[in-house]
Amino acid sequence: EAGVTQSPTHLIKTRGQQVTLRCSPISGHTSVYWYQQALGLGLQFLLWYDEGEERNRGNFPPRFSGRQFPNYSSELNVNALELEDSALYLCASSLARLAGGLSYNEQFFGPGTRLTVL
Amino acid sequence: AQKVTQAQTEISVVEKEDVTLDCVYETRDTTYYLFWYKQPPSGELVFLIRRNSFDEQNEISGRYSWNFQKSTSSFNFTITASQVVDSAVYFCALSELIASGNNRKLIWGLGTSLAVNP
Repeated sequence: EAGVTQSPTHLIKTRGQQVTLRCSPISGHTSVYWYQQALGLGLQFLLWYDEGEERNRGNFPPRFSGRQFPNYSSELNVNALELEDSALYLCASSLARLAGGLSYNEQFFGPGTRLTVL
Repeated sequence: AQKVTQAQTEISVVEKEDVTLDCVYETRDTTYYLFWYKQPPSGELVFLIRRNSFDEQNEISGRYSWNFQKSTSSFNFTITASQVVDSAVYFCALSELIASGNNRKLIWGLGTSLAVNP
């Protein structure tokens, strides 16, 4: 079974540009999460999508946005790139709800997209 | 507020030594889940274990073992006879109930960087 996939693997942009990152979840997973991991820092939660809707958002400015498609894949868009946006962007997927409504929220991660802003 | 603390920022050991990574959490939930993930230099986070709050049995998987102590709100991770391939950043996480309907998200520790030297 294929895991979470992300594209592109690496990306180099300049300040002020816009970027779109893509994520395909594990088959059957309806939730997609986006994280930012800047060098030397932990995982910073960005966004959570489930069933096509944004469920929760981390403490990031509005120029970070995204969406989830009917096939549960997701895009993360970052506008007006700044130098400090340079980071590894990780996507994870999970089953939001199991039978009976119980959710373990166990997340499985993709390999990430490394974004460098010059 | 829910919080995960990994007090050890970096640990360095020599191969074959045992090493314990500490994780202390805070939560108001009566039912919650704890996780450990490994992030090798390649960057992709690898799920290691999930533990339910109502199951305090310790778990062993090969050289890995986990000690869940609800009384001290700790979920420590021990690697026995460490190997160079164990070198990675290890993250502890807590699932947080954020809304009705059992929606949850993960609260992450900042990670412990483990270096196992030959």
